[in-house]
Amino acid sequence: QKEVEQDPGPLSVPEGAIVSLNCTYSNSAFQYFMWYRQYSRKGPELLMYTYSSGNKEDGRFTAQVDKSSKYISLFIRDSQPSDSATYLCAMSERGSTLGRLYFGRGTQLTVWP
Amino acid sequence: DVKVTQSSRYLVKRTGEKVFLECVQDMDHENMFWYRQDPGLGLRLIYFSYDVKMKEKGDIPEGYSVSREKKERFSLILESASTNQTSMYLCASSLLGGSDPNTGELFFGEGSRLTVL
Repeated sequence: QKEVEQDPGPLSVPEGAIVSLNCTYSNSAFQYFMWYRQYSRKGPELLMYTYSSGNKEDGRFTAQVDKSSKYISLFIRDSQPSDSATYLCAMSERGSTLGRLYFGRGTQLTVWP
Repeated sequence: DVKVTQSSRYLVKRTGEKVFLECVQDMDHENMFWYRQDPGLGLRLIYFSYDVKMKEKGDIPEGYSVSREKKERFSLILESASTNQTSMYLCASSLLGGSDPNTGELFFGEGSRLTVL
């Protein structure tokens, strides 16, 4: 079993829809949770990160972490065609100084006009 | 802006050839990483380095080696390329401890797509 599980999709939604992307994990030592966005033929870029449990909001994006369920989510409100990309969740253990991240497989999202 | 540059975006090589993938970062980051990305498998860590001349095996080091002679440069070497090494290769770097302590934020290059025939 992979340490981080993520449904690869693909997910296709109309413009303006609310999108929910999710990951589950098995390692209770994970403390930092990130979402990376990867456009086609580009490298991933950090979108949001959250420490421990709770919510974090940035514009149309909201990241949620539920450590008791080992479950994280990314919500996109009022989705736009420019949000079409692959979204990867990533996690690291508290105290890690090497930047070692554990990635999900990525969910491919298409937002159509 | 942090810039991670991978020297070749697209390469086509033959089985048995030696392949060098070069990566340079311009932000004085201590940590550098090589991942490969395959459909359905996601990102898998091949090797990483936290200092010059230091290297650590990741999850799939077999068939690969690395070199870090200078802080800004991290090279991935395929000694004898095989068809199962056809993939997208991504280089990344991060500060020791990350820009926020222990977040380990990675900055990626745009990738090198390698095809081995």
